[in-house]
Amino acid sequence: GENVEQHPSTLSVQEGDSAVIKCTYSDSASNYFPWYKQELGKRPQLIIDIRSNVGEKKDQRIAVTLNKTAKHFSLHITETQPEDSAVYFCAASQNNAGNMLTFGGGTRLMVKP
Amino acid sequence: DSGVTQTPKHLITATGQRVTLRCSPRSGDLSVYWYQQSLDQGLQFLIQYYNGEERAKGNILERFSAQQFPDLHSELNLSSLELGDSALYFCASSVVGTTNEQFFGPGTRLTVL
Repeated sequence: GENVEQHPSTLSVQEGDSAVIKCTYSDSASNYFPWYKQELGKRPQLIIDIRSNVGEKKDQRIAVTLNKTAKHFSLHITETQPEDSAVYFCAASQNNAGNMLTFGGGTRLMVKP
Repeated sequence: DSGVTQTPKHLITATGQRVTLRCSPRSGDLSVYWYQQSLDQGLQFLIQYYNGEERAKGNILERFSAQQFPDLHSELNLSSLELGDSALYFCASSVVGTTNEQFFGPGTRLTVL
């Protein structure tokens, strides 16, 4: 089955700096890669996603890049703000009989004011 | 608010007991997914239903079962509960059973004493 590795597990940045979180996946059949933000005790919220037919997608201060050959994808947050502090999860999925998400282990991002 | 509802929010029970968690998907969504989030295991896929039929199974224990009803709401039944079953249980829904965005409910926090 699919295996998703996520790094780093914790990341501390100064407000205004950029943050980068990286994930690798094992199954070349995976073709959908969402990122979720989860605040303490709350539900995971989809913040951005990318499909395997594109290499990059941007939405205001967040962007995701995908390298299918290397089987890795990254989340980039620019001009970080204290409200960006949360746990971020990457995930991978296939378009087949069951498109369940396989999650990475999560990255705790702390943005210091 | 994702539009996915889950009840109850919190559940405290004893080992050996049985509980039922309920999920109502977003209006129009046919597919329901159940995920378990524990401190040491992260977010793990349990099972998926699509329009009333089981579509995919993940790391779901034999003590756990689920179903999706004609009105598309779903129930996750956990029996012979053990201390290690204490976790956050999330339900997510998507429009169809293929690669599409999954939106998570607020979760049910289960504590087994």
